[in-house]
Amino acid sequence: GAVVSQHPSWVICKSGTSVKIECRSLDFQATTMFWYRQFPKQSLMLMATSNEGSKATYEQGVEKDKFLINHASLTLSTLTVTSAHPEDSSFYICSARTGLAKETQYFGPGTRLLVL
Amino acid sequence: KQEVTQIPAALSVPEGENLVLNCSFTDSAIYNLQWFRQDPGKGLTSLLLIQSSQREQTSGRLNASLDKSSGRSTLYIAASQPGDSATYLCAVGTGANSKLTFGKGITLSVRP
Repeated sequence: GAVVSQHPSWVICKSGTSVKIECRSLDFQATTMFWYRQFPKQSLMLMATSNEGSKATYEQGVEKDKFLINHASLTLSTLTVTSAHPEDSSFYICSARTGLAKETQYFGPGTRLLVL
Repeated sequence: KQEVTQIPAALSVPEGENLVLNCSFTDSAIYNLQWFRQDPGKGLTSLLLIQSSQREQTSGRLNASLDKSSGRSTLYIAASQPGDSATYLCAVGTGANSKLTFGKGITLSVRP
């Protein structure tokens, strides 16, 4: 149980275009979802926290107008990278958790984004 | 601001060896601590979750301990195997949302 999927697994796009990444909890209801970014040989950095039905909370330094997060249902959250630039190329990973803060986060397999 | 440190960044051991991976954190007001495994180019697999009130957790050949007051955790791997080769990440949950702060990870290589 507790499976989280991401789609697509990898994407290549041109600079200036927008890219949408989906994160789904397949067998549980995710009240809270998190989006992380990981650069090569670096750790995961939390970008934002989203609770179902409310606006996402962004970490300091993350542009909310550039990284649009929608958590419209208990099983789906989307991250849209708007007007992507080469420096946005990274590995994006989502995680999902049920309502209790003490519970573990279940991570998706990640989406590798390359902006040309 | 919570900071999580994992040293060394890489470790190479022969098969069969017992080993300890260390993790330290600066703010002891944590909700929980998790150890994850990450294979190259892949997502994260949760190995062990220790709540702040617990001292250790065990799963198979893995044992994780938590000393909240000193800001330390260790992951013990018994009888290491080549299949254990991966990057091991430590993450601490803090705040009302228990958001995770990750260390940079330790890349483990187990030589046959």
